[in-house]
Amino acid sequence: DAGITQSPRHKVTETGTPVTLRCHQTENHRYMYWYRQDPGHGLRLIHYSYGVKDTDKGEVSDGYSVSRSKTEDFLLTLESATSSQTSVYFCAISETPGQAFEAFFGQGTRLTVV
Amino acid sequence: DQQVKQNSPSLSVQEGRISILNCDYTNSMFDYFLWYKKYPAEGPTFLISISSIKDKNEDGRFTVFLNKSAKHLSLHIVPSQPGDSAVYFCAAIALYSGGGADGLTFGKGTHLIIQP
Repeated sequence: DAGITQSPRHKVTETGTPVTLRCHQTENHRYMYWYRQDPGHGLRLIHYSYGVKDTDKGEVSDGYSVSRSKTEDFLLTLESATSSQTSVYFCAISETPGQAFEAFFGQGTRLTVV
Repeated sequence: DQQVKQNSPSLSVQEGRISILNCDYTNSMFDYFLWYKKYPAEGPTFLISISSIKDKNEDGRFTVFLNKSAKHLSLHIVPSQPGDSAVYFCAAIALYSGGGADGLTFGKGTHLIIQP
């Protein structure tokens, strides 16, 4: 299994509070991603990073920010959590796109905003 | 507008028979297509992929077929086994000319149930 660790694995937070999810990799992969999975929507890209301090928005980036100060860590921050951000969040990593571009996923973080 | 569509939310197949999961796409710029398998409470795991210049890729019991003119791909699992029961996601990616890319675009998934 690819070395990807997400923390925390579960979190319950109140509306309006800031929340930070962490993704840590030991594979030295260049690309890192944050996805959210919701019923009826599959997986949707929130933000991604193509190098240290290089990030870009995905399909559903509103309300989220990211930071990548080291190759191994990619943080996802909900500035002010809302109930619509209740979801399962997955981090993924990949090498520079090449022959197949497999992305390897973490175990997920279940976030509940009450 | 969804660029990758999996129109069957669920599929039930008898053990030992063939499972066929379908996926349609609208973006003709996609360069690679991938299938992921997901068990409950786990992250998706990569299963098989195919380049847009190919029409078939096989790996053991899994074969992916691509029909570019129809913008359609399918995953065949033969023979189906109980451990294949999972949600299967179709995904696609378009590469930049410089070699980079955005993330994968996923379909909504198909829940495959293998019945004994």
